[in-house]
Amino acid sequence: GAGVSQSPSNKVTEKGKDVELRCDPISGHTALYWYRQSLGQGLEFLIYFQGNSAPDKSGLPSDRFSAERTGGSVSTLTIQRTQQEDSAVYLCASSSQGRQPQHFGDGTRLSIL
Amino acid sequence: QQPVQSPQAVILREGEDAVINCSSSKALYSVHWYRQKHGEAPIFLMILLKGGEQKGHDKISASFNEKKQQSSLYLTASQLSYSGTYFCGTEIASGGGADGLTFGKGTHLIIQP
Repeated sequence: GAGVSQSPSNKVTEKGKDVELRCDPISGHTALYWYRQSLGQGLEFLIYFQGNSAPDKSGLPSDRFSAERTGGSVSTLTIQRTQQEDSAVYLCASSSQGRQPQHFGDGTRLSIL
Repeated sequence: QQPVQSPQAVILREGEDAVINCSSSKALYSVHWYRQKHGEAPIFLMILLKGGEQKGHDKISASFNEKKQQSSLYLTASQLSYSGTYFCGTEIASGGGADGLTFGKGTHLIIQP
């Protein structure tokens, strides 16, 4: 597609459930990033992929968070045993390679009841 | 460490100028500037690399003072469409490879007719 595509756009789930968030980057972009934005706050870096590899996972808030990228394209962010503090907008961005302008998707708004 | 943005908010009349500042305690490789409107994805404005460069696009320009680890975004003759929250995102100089951006908390800009 022309831009970064994320799904679902909205997700409401009960505390303790697992959720999967999907990101489809701009075609040909090798670098992919996940960020989290809480209400009225800035963007918090979670994880970065170069190809299928994630050199730096230190931004993930806890071991309940994991992410993978397959085929150098689509990425999935998984949150296990969700907690209310996980409620936020999860944004995905891609760039042609590292250290280049990042193009953001519209995000997934996650609400934990 | 999160860069510090100032001011936190500014209200202008259409046609007035604004300056938004971003400073870091770390040696930076680059500074990225984004604008985000409510409920939308952040939009890339420009990237400045170490070396103390200055860039401009239409009536929006920015500078990067590498010695002070500071960047400033200049909005001249502001238009209603400039309203939104402006974020700076920084990449540190060390580390060798790419990484996610560390964003400031944002500057809310309101342009009134």
